[in-house]
Amino acid sequence: SYVLTQPPSVSVAPGKTAKITCGGDNIGSNNVHWYLQKPGQAPVLVIYYDSDRPLGIPDRFSGSKSGNTATLTISRVEAGDEADYYCQVWDSNSDHWVFGGGTKLTVL
Amino acid sequence: QVQLVESGGGLVKPGGSLRLSCAASGFTSSDYYMSWIRQAPGKGLEWVSYISDIGNTIYYADSVKGRFTISRDNAKNSVYLQMNSLRVVDTAVYYCAREYGPRNYHYMDVWGKGTTVTVAS
Repeated sequence: SYVLTQPPSVSVAPGKTAKITCGGDNIGSNNVHWYLQKPGQAPVLVIYYDSDRPLGIPDRFSGSKSGNTATLTISRVEAGDEADYYCQVWDSNSDHWVFGGGTKLTVL
Repeated sequence: QVQLVESGGGLVKPGGSLRLSCAASGFTSSDYYMSWIRQAPGKGLEWVSYISDIGNTIYYADSVKGRFTISRDNAKNSVYLQMNSLRVVDTAVYYCAREYGPRNYHYMDVWGKGTTVTVAS
């Protein structure tokens, strides 16, 4: 089955840039979506189709993809960005949605 | 206001059954594919099942195939998850989510707040 690999944790100081990676075989051929989830809350879509931002998501959030890795970048990090972040793709070989294991972003 | 509200969670013994419901409001759910996703305590997100807009295409995660059944009633703007032969490992918060976008290019743009299922003796 298809696997997406994320680092368990990323730490960043306020005002700096955080990069959260998501690795997967041939991920370049998949649309990658990103969600954030704060404790006790439902996930929220922050990036879709690799780099598009839904209405209401600050432009500090951006997405990119290169080789076998997709990256969520959060610029000018704020304390309120502290959350778990998940990447997601549709695996057309198995007809399954696949989530990465999640990355806990800590704002120092 | 576009909203999804899950219900039907609770405490059930191993081997038991539960039926979860997901009620949509603010949009016509029959226009959208829908998914169920779960999250075990302290764990990440796990996709469970998906149903197409008219219910003719259904997929399940391997971990629930043969035990869970997804369905929908578009007249009631609702999606359901019938869960049978429940196991302790099925304990989780269960979310429903709307899938948006052209066919084969979906993403989950609206999520409910979830309903908690606890399987314990």
